[in-house]
Amino acid sequence: NAGVMQNPRHLVRRRGQEARLRCSPMKGHSHVYWYRQLPEEGLKFMVYLQKENIIDESGMPKERFSAEFPKEGPSILRIQQVVRGDSAAYFCASSLDSPGYTFGSGTRLTVV
Amino acid sequence: GIQVEQSPPDLILQEGANSTLRCNFSDSVNNLQWFHQNPWGQLINLFYIPSGTKQNGRLSATTVATERYSLLYISSSQTTDSGVYFCAVSNQAGTALIFGKGTTLSVSS
Repeated sequence: NAGVMQNPRHLVRRRGQEARLRCSPMKGHSHVYWYRQLPEEGLKFMVYLQKENIIDESGMPKERFSAEFPKEGPSILRIQQVVRGDSAAYFCASSLDSPGYTFGSGTRLTVV
Repeated sequence: GIQVEQSPPDLILQEGANSTLRCNFSDSVNNLQWFHQNPWGQLINLFYIPSGTKQNGRLSATTVATERYSLLYISSSQTTDSGVYFCAVSNQAGTALIFGKGTTLSVSS
């Protein structure tokens, strides 16, 4: 079992570009969660998805951020027109059924 | 919403020492987890412990749900224990984890 796979591990984008972060959950897991960790801070919840459905997006910024978890393929967190404040580590987690999270290794986004 | 507070914020130990990390939460919860984030940033799930006591090697955890706190014990600490320890509880809807700010542990040889 390969665990939760996130790619890329590191992503550098210029201000105004788009960032696409991918997350493949553990085999058999149908729940996916995205969290953001700013430097020197704890993790903040962004969004919870099940296949083809957004269950809770209360932590997502209202603009520029979107997430999907299609029937086939990985979950995608998309950030449009990135700004310097978007620089952070983005973690994905999956679960078979709450609780029992398994986190991926994260994507470190740097906006220059 | 639920508040999660961890103490101490920082802890410096010599190898072999024991330590206790504390997590207080402001409301009743049915899901509490402890995580270790190693110096490379990887998050490892240590315990799922909404109540009671669990042990895994040199680590153990106790949650007293009625008094709204949880403790993580690390015995005979090793340099590989260094990193940040997070406590997290479920929100009321059970759709997300709310993390504390963590305890940063540094173990020196």
